[in-house]
Amino acid sequence: GAVVSQHPSRVICKSGTSVKIECRSLDFQATTMFWYRQFPKQSLMLMATSNEGSKATYEQGVEKDKFLINHASLTLSTLTVTSAHPEDSSFYICSAEDRGKNTEAFFGQGTRLTVV
Amino acid sequence: GEDVEQSLFLSVREGDSSVINCTYTDSSSTYLYWYKQEPGAGLQLLTYIFSNMDMKQDQRLTVLLNKKDKHLSLRIADTQTGDSAIYFCAGHTGRRALTFGSGTRLQVQP
Repeated sequence: GAVVSQHPSRVICKSGTSVKIECRSLDFQATTMFWYRQFPKQSLMLMATSNEGSKATYEQGVEKDKFLINHASLTLSTLTVTSAHPEDSSFYICSAEDRGKNTEAFFGQGTRLTVV
Repeated sequence: GEDVEQSLFLSVREGDSSVINCTYTDSSSTYLYWYKQEPGAGLQLLTYIFSNMDMKQDQRLTVLLNKKDKHLSLRIADTQTGDSAIYFCAGHTGRRALTFGSGTRLQVQP
């Protein structure tokens, strides 16, 4: 099946610094990627929809200036958490749609972000 | 938007069948999915069902869909300790992103 690679899997950063998370579709082209956030013992909540070559669409309550999304190619989307604070500590996970198939979205392995 | 609800916890003995239930509100979802998440890991797609189907079977997994009641279930036959995980049902919103249920923690006792 299609593979989505997310990197890094774990990151610890200091408050005030920025962290970039990459999401790559390895063997298919993804015009659309989705970024989700999962707090401990909770479900996944959609943060934003990333469209190749255009601006991301953010969900209500998600600060676009804090969570910068870039989708510059059909195989790569990045999420940058700017000026991170401890409350940004969470599990971030991306998914990508194979534009040749509409039946499923493929998920990355997730990134556990800890801000200290 | 879509609301998806699941029971939070299920405990079964190894070898028994597990049934995880899910209810949803948006009947326009074309596909409904079941994902498995092991501790600290990402999501693994287990199976999905197209909205015009009532049932889908894939080895030990059986998905039942009752569109009238907006009820989806996942049955795992001969449950093994390796099946212990959190199971999420999910459906599409109009923008093709997925709306996830709260997740059901399945605990399999030896």
